[in-house]
Amino acid sequence: AQKVTQAQTEISVVEKEDVTLDCVYETRDTTYYLFWYKQPPSGELVFLIRRNSFDEQNEISGRYSWNFQKSTSSFNFTITASQVVDSAVYFCAPPPGDNQGGKLIFGQGTELSVKP
Amino acid sequence: EAGVTQFPSHSVIEKGQTVTLRCDPISGHDNLYWYRRVMGKEIKFLLHFVKESKQDESGMPNNRFLAERTGGTYSTLKVQPAELEDSGVYFCASSHWVETGELFFGEGSRLTVL
Repeated sequence: AQKVTQAQTEISVVEKEDVTLDCVYETRDTTYYLFWYKQPPSGELVFLIRRNSFDEQNEISGRYSWNFQKSTSSFNFTITASQVVDSAVYFCAPPPGDNQGGKLIFGQGTELSVKP
Repeated sequence: EAGVTQFPSHSVIEKGQTVTLRCDPISGHDNLYWYRRVMGKEIKFLLHFVKESKQDESGMPNNRFLAERTGGTYSTLKVQPAELEDSGVYFCASSHWVETGELFFGEGSRLTVL
């Protein structure tokens, strides 16, 4: 069965610092997707990124970047030059397998607090 | 385009009472999901509708929970009778494609059972 571990429960940084959120997952599948979602104070979960297990290239989107390493089963998320608006809970999530894309398994989440 | 909307945003009820949560998905999204996060635990999948049909309800905790999606549009999740351990945040999400995993979530309905 799939399992996700986000070891960092809470992280607090000062604005403009870089911060990396860790995600380690377990799966028996050979092909799968991985996701990151953000939950700002308003409560809704916001989709950030989806990566296919075939593609191990790092991805950068503005201040966000993702490092996917299949060999270590990690899918880490880095925010560069953090801002107060980045304060949120971030969830790593793989689907349970068999391409059940909507049935996500969420980690416990990492609460990021960016202070001015 | 309107996002996923949920109602009520917060409900406080007594143990043994009934509560009905409503979700309006994004127009045109056939897939509708319910998730919940109870205190201190992970967000857990409850069930998945494809149009009006229940595709997967493996996450429903027990028969006190009843989800419906009449006409394949909005969905309701009824808890009857509510228990203390049902307290948490109930999220609804919708998507156009199942395979992508890109779900659009609502802001959640917080349920407090006293």
